[in-house]
Amino acid sequence: AQSVTQLDSQVPVFEEAPVELRCNYSSSVSVYLFWYVQYPNQGLQLLLKYLSGSTLVKGINGFEAEFNKSQTSFHLRKPSVHISDTAEYFCAVSPHNNNDMRFGAGTRLTVKP
Amino acid sequence: ETGVTQSPTHLIKTRGQQVTLRCSSQSGHNTVSWYQQALGQGPQFIFQYYREEENGRGNFPPRFSGLQFPNYSSELNVNALELDDSALYLCASSRGQGIVKGAEAFFGQGTRLTVV
Repeated sequence: AQSVTQLDSQVPVFEEAPVELRCNYSSSVSVYLFWYVQYPNQGLQLLLKYLSGSTLVKGINGFEAEFNKSQTSFHLRKPSVHISDTAEYFCAVSPHNNNDMRFGAGTRLTVKP
Repeated sequence: ETGVTQSPTHLIKTRGQQVTLRCSSQSGHNTVSWYQQALGQGPQFIFQYYREEENGRGNFPPRFSGLQFPNYSSELNVNALELDDSALYLCASSRGQGIVKGAEAFFGQGTRLTVV
């Protein structure tokens, strides 16, 4: 079975500062990796995904993530955040051989002016 | 192209009752997945339907059941409701066999179920 650990439950940061949201996973099989964002009272929106190939993945809204197989990590980064980036962020993994997508508990990013 | 829509948006039920939640998938999508998101937690996979058949199931008891219709819309049914079933229920649609092929899943806004 797979599991996902998001190391920070809350990350406060000032506007225009860089941010990194950390995600580690464990799995006995190869996985796809995802980051989703959830705004209040809304569903999840895909930010980016790693399926194969280049380990540096660029997504929407200026976010990027790097897959590190040896450290089983998929940290999300943005060089300069905006107030509008305030939301809950979820890391997720899905094994190549079934549909059981596992989500982390989420990281609440709060961007302060 | 319409997005994923879920109904109702909010629902209050009494313990022991049954509930049906509905999801209309995005145009052109034939795969629907359901997730339960308890307060302060990440979504948990309930099951997935592909072309009207169950195509994977998470660790949920049989009182959680579903259907997918020929137009690819879907229902989630929960029998004998328990207080711990209170959560946001999310539906996601995708094209093809969903996550297995790495296809992007588009989420609805969810149904907030409260069991009292």
